[in-house]
Amino acid sequence: EPEVTQTPSHQVTQMGQEVILRCVPISNHLYFYWYRQILGQKVEFLVSFYNNEISEKSEIFDDQFSVERPDGSNFTLKIRSTKLEDSAMYFCASSREGAYNEQFFGPGTRLTVL
Amino acid sequence: AQSVTQLGSHVSVSEGALVLLRCNYSSSVPPYLFWYVQYPNQGLQLLLKYTSAATLVKGINGFEAEFKKSETSFHLTKPSAHMSDAAEYFCAVSVSQGFQKLVFGTGTRLLVSP
Repeated sequence: EPEVTQTPSHQVTQMGQEVILRCVPISNHLYFYWYRQILGQKVEFLVSFYNNEISEKSEIFDDQFSVERPDGSNFTLKIRSTKLEDSAMYFCASSREGAYNEQFFGPGTRLTVL
Repeated sequence: AQSVTQLGSHVSVSEGALVLLRCNYSSSVPPYLFWYVQYPNQGLQLLLKYTSAATLVKGINGFEAEFKKSETSFHLTKPSAHMSDAAEYFCAVSVSQGFQKLVFGTGTRLLVSP
């Protein structure tokens, strides 16, 4: 069964460093998303992406965040200068057209900022 | 804006007992509703979804949920709990059948005792 994959599973970084979180969505999906979950809190939407453009972003998704689909398979989230409060689990998700917004989630990347 | 409220951050049941996890939604337009499960250190797995086709929705692992417009509710039930059901359960809402973010509730941790 096709699934969304994410790498790395755990990333530790120093405050102020740049990190890139990688995702491989399901191959025939067209819509891509990033969510995050701070420990003990709910899952929060960050950004959605379609046709090589950001479709929607939350207020969390400020200028230090960016997304990219550099090739036909990968979808990346970059945090330019990490802060302590960026420590969270980051989930990638994807969905296909006409699927009632059924989103398939990856296993997540746990980002720890020291 | 749409939102969901999950009553009870923790629910404890005995193995074999009925599971009832509560979710109420707020939406100005007909919603699409989802239940996701998150096992420890794993991503989000879709349990079931409501897309207006039928008010009683059956999902995986014996779970079902009933959409009640008059009560703005979408409670998740399972007749008989198994130890393997212990996990975090998230209710989510979307207001489009197309491409849009999911808004999650705060989650309910289900504890199952022998």
